[in-house]
Amino acid sequence: QVQLQESGPGLVKPSQTLSLVCTVSGGSVSSAGYYWTWIRQHPEKGLHWIGYIHYSGKNYYNPSLKSRLTISLDTSKNNFSLKLTSVTAADTAVYYCARVVTARDASDIWGQGTMVTVSS
Amino acid sequence: DIQMTQSPSSVSASVGDRVTVTCRASHDISRYLAWYQQKPGKAPKLLIYGASSLQNGVPSRFSGSGSGTDFTLTISSLQPEDFATYYCQQADSFPFTFGPGTKVDIK
Repeated sequence: QVQLQESGPGLVKPSQTLSLVCTVSGGSVSSAGYYWTWIRQHPEKGLHWIGYIHYSGKNYYNPSLKSRLTISLDTSKNNFSLKLTSVTAADTAVYYCARVVTARDASDIWGQGTMVTVSS
Repeated sequence: DIQMTQSPSSVSASVGDRVTVTCRASHDISRYLAWYQQKPGKAPKLLIYGASSLQNGVPSRFSGSGSGTDFTLTISSLQPEDFATYYCQQADSFPFTFGPGTKVDIK
């Protein structure tokens, strides 16, 4: 049974870098049939798709975040990560990692989510 | 970006009711649409992909239909565990975008 688990600091200061890791268990990030995504949800708001990475190296970033965003994959550790630079209070959100089945274009497995607050 | 809208934004219903949620895309997305259920404090759960395909393990009282720009999620007989917020998401083009959600609560 594949499971995803986010980890990282819950508090980040403004202008600093937000770094999160999603560890995959029960499956491999090197599987061709999936890509690995980050999605965030502002408090009491809807879902916002951040970007994805595939083990082939292919990735896509939401243009609204592209200049500050890096998503990378570590096959040796079976995880993928998100780095968002120059954060502001607007980046305060619950961050989810999820697996997307390429044949279905839908996120079938999600991490539990991690709350990140940007505040001094 | 493709904009997604949902209606209603909230609905009050009773156990056993039939509930319908509508999702509309700003551009033709063929059948590249998924539906998710989210309960407070939990991650979203995939219900439907490809507009009408039921995800493994999801009860058959959930169904999806539509293509192009107009889609529907139907719960045929609402159960206590179905009270939640429902989101549609287009997967036709990046960035994938979500609807604002429809909250189904107890009448």
